[in-house]
Amino acid sequence: NAGVTQTPKFQVLKTGQSMTLQCAQDMNHNSMYWYRQDPGMGLRLIYYSASEGTTDKGEVPNGYNVSRLNKREFSLRLESAAPSQTSVYFCASSNSFYSNQPQHFGDGTRLSIL
Amino acid sequence: DAKTTQPPSMDCAEGRAANLPCNHSTISGNEYVYWYRQIHSQGPQYIIHGLKNNETNEMASLIITEDRKSSTLILPHATLRDTAVYYCIVTGANSKLTFGKGITLSVRP
Repeated sequence: NAGVTQTPKFQVLKTGQSMTLQCAQDMNHNSMYWYRQDPGMGLRLIYYSASEGTTDKGEVPNGYNVSRLNKREFSLRLESAAPSQTSVYFCASSNSFYSNQPQHFGDGTRLSIL
Repeated sequence: DAKTTQPPSMDCAEGRAANLPCNHSTISGNEYVYWYRQIHSQGPQYIIHGLKNNETNEMASLIITEDRKSSTLILPHATLRDTAVYYCIVTGANSKLTFGKGITLSVRP
């Protein structure tokens, strides 16, 4: 049982390049989330998708776009990467955004932007 | 969502109980207390959550005070693999999680 799978695990980009981070879950969850974690800090919510077909901004959405491709997959896109976006990115899923269910996390994508 | 306060770090001996405190004095009636942990470089792992009653599962126990202004996560027999950052999070009707810096638990042999 894979849970939440993120690809790639590591990536180095140059400033201005674009990149899509992929996330897939096999738990039949309705809701999915993208977070970033900077060194020594807690996670911050970038975007979330409460259900298939919907997406909403979180705490730090600037510079990112998301796509809920289907119930399983939720991707995060950086259109023009900046050094300030160097971070570890975590995807999570939960059964329902509206009924306070635990979130299950992937192991992250470590992204460095030079 | 209510804010939480945790000490920055604590340690305990392997095999002993680890009691991790959390203050959430502004919690409101419909807000839950969640605990997650993050072992170095991995994604956060859900541990337990509760509203007002004490809760127990295979990983831990959660004790919430009667006034709900504080809680304690108890790992009954800590092992070296429990060394991690533990996050106490209060969340309301939706599932948005706000992570603080958490408490770093070090389990010593």
